[in-house]
Amino acid sequence: NAGVTQTPKFQVLKTGQSMTLQCAQDMNHEYMSWYRQDPGMGLRLIHYSVGAGITDQGEVPNGYNVSRSTTEDFPLRLLSAAPSQTSVYFCASSSAGGETQYFGPGTRLLVL
Amino acid sequence: AQTVTQSQPEMSVQEAETVTLSCTYDTSENNYYLFWYKQPPSRQMILVIRQEAYKQQNATENRFSVNFQKAAKSFSLKISDSQLGDTAMYFCAFMTGNQFYFGTGTSLTVIP
Repeated sequence: NAGVTQTPKFQVLKTGQSMTLQCAQDMNHEYMSWYRQDPGMGLRLIHYSVGAGITDQGEVPNGYNVSRSTTEDFPLRLLSAAPSQTSVYFCASSSAGGETQYFGPGTRLLVL
Repeated sequence: AQTVTQSQPEMSVQEAETVTLSCTYDTSENNYYLFWYKQPPSRQMILVIRQEAYKQQNATENRFSVNFQKAAKSFSLKISDSQLGDTAMYFCAFMTGNQFYFGTGTSLTVIP
């Protein structure tokens, strides 16, 4: 099992550009989520999904879109990147809401 | 609102000694789960221990144990026989209603 994979590992964007952060898991988990990690802020939930076709907003959803067309994949889209979106992004999955979350290795995003 | 507070930004401990990391949380929910995650310099998020709020017995995992005080909304982590590999950022997390909330972390350094 590869677990949770994320691509790319590092990305530089210019303000206003769009991009998609990819996340995939091979554990047949229903629950998937996206976090951003900023210095001194811990991890904050952006969006989450409890199954294919179902998504919901977390604590900091503005500027981000998600979709969940399959159980395996949960991409995060930045529609128009802003310097405030410079962060490390983590994807995670679990078999159910209260179960252990398994995290991907993270994507470091720099917006200039 | 759900909040998680880690009041110790940095801590250090001598190798082989015991250290306790503090965590408090605030919620009006009765059904929730609590976690401690470790983030070494590699940035990978690794589960240390998980506690279900309806269980009175404190969770243990080898050298790691928790002191869960539900009435006080406290969830501290005790690391016994500290090892150099325990050097990492430790995050307390709380989960309810399909959403996770993380504290801001405690940076632990184990001194040889």
